[in-house]
Amino acid sequence: DTGVSQNPRHKITKRGQNVTFRCDPISEHNRLYWYRQTLGQGPEFLTYFQNEAQLEKSRLLSDRFSAERPKGSFSTLEIQRTEQGDSAMYLCASTDRGWPSGKDEQYFGPGTRLTVT
Amino acid sequence: AQTVTQSQPEMSVQEAETVTLSCTYDTSESDYYLFWYKQPPSRQMILVIRQEAYKQQNATENRFSVNFQKAAKSFSLKISDSQLGDAAMYFCAYRQGAQKLVFGQGTRLTINP
Repeated sequence: DTGVSQNPRHKITKRGQNVTFRCDPISEHNRLYWYRQTLGQGPEFLTYFQNEAQLEKSRLLSDRFSAERPKGSFSTLEIQRTEQGDSAMYLCASTDRGWPSGKDEQYFGPGTRLTVT
Repeated sequence: AQTVTQSQPEMSVQEAETVTLSCTYDTSESDYYLFWYKQPPSRQMILVIRQEAYKQQNATENRFSVNFQKAAKSFSLKISDSQLGDAAMYFCAYRQGAQKLVFGQGTRLTINP
C-alpha cells in the first residue's frame, strides 16, 4: 500500500493555459474523489468516480473543468483556459468500500498546488 | 444542503494540556458520519477520528475523543495531553453514506512548548 499519489505536486501556469493533474489511488480502491482547497479554507468537493463512472459533479466544476478515470484506476483533472481564481490546492482521495458497509475511509493524496499567474 | 461550521479559526494550548475544538453541522438526515481530519503544514490530510450518527457512544482514539450531541448537531474534538506533533489544521467533516465529504472551515491548532 503506497498511498494516494498526485502529480505534479506544484504547477505554475499563465492565465489562459490548460493544465492537467493526475491522481493514482490506492490499488483496488473503487471510489475516487477530487476536492479543491483554497488558502485557509476547508476542501470543497468537485467530483467523484466509482470505477470509471463519474457519479457526481459539483456546481463548482465549470465547463472549463473535466475529469476522467478511463480504466477505473488513475484519474486526471484538466482545467482549460485557466483563470487566477483557479489557484488552489487540488486534492484527490480514494476509498475501497461503498455503501452500505459504511466502513470506508477516504485516504487523501498530498495534493497538487496550482498557481495561475 | 448539509453545512459544517467551525467557529474557532485558531486555538492554542500548552503542551501536555487539554484542548477542545468545536464543530456544528446542519442536516435533515438521521444517518450519517462525522469526522475530524488533521492537516499538518505542507502535509496531507489524515483521519483522526470518526463517529457514526447511530452510535450513542462517543468515539475515542488514544488521546483523541469526541463529544457527539446529535440533537444539538454538535461534534467537538478533545485532545488530551497535547503534543507538539498535534500542531496542524483540524477539519470537521460530514458524510452521508458513501458520498462526498463536506468540510468545515478549519481550526488552526498551535501547541506552545
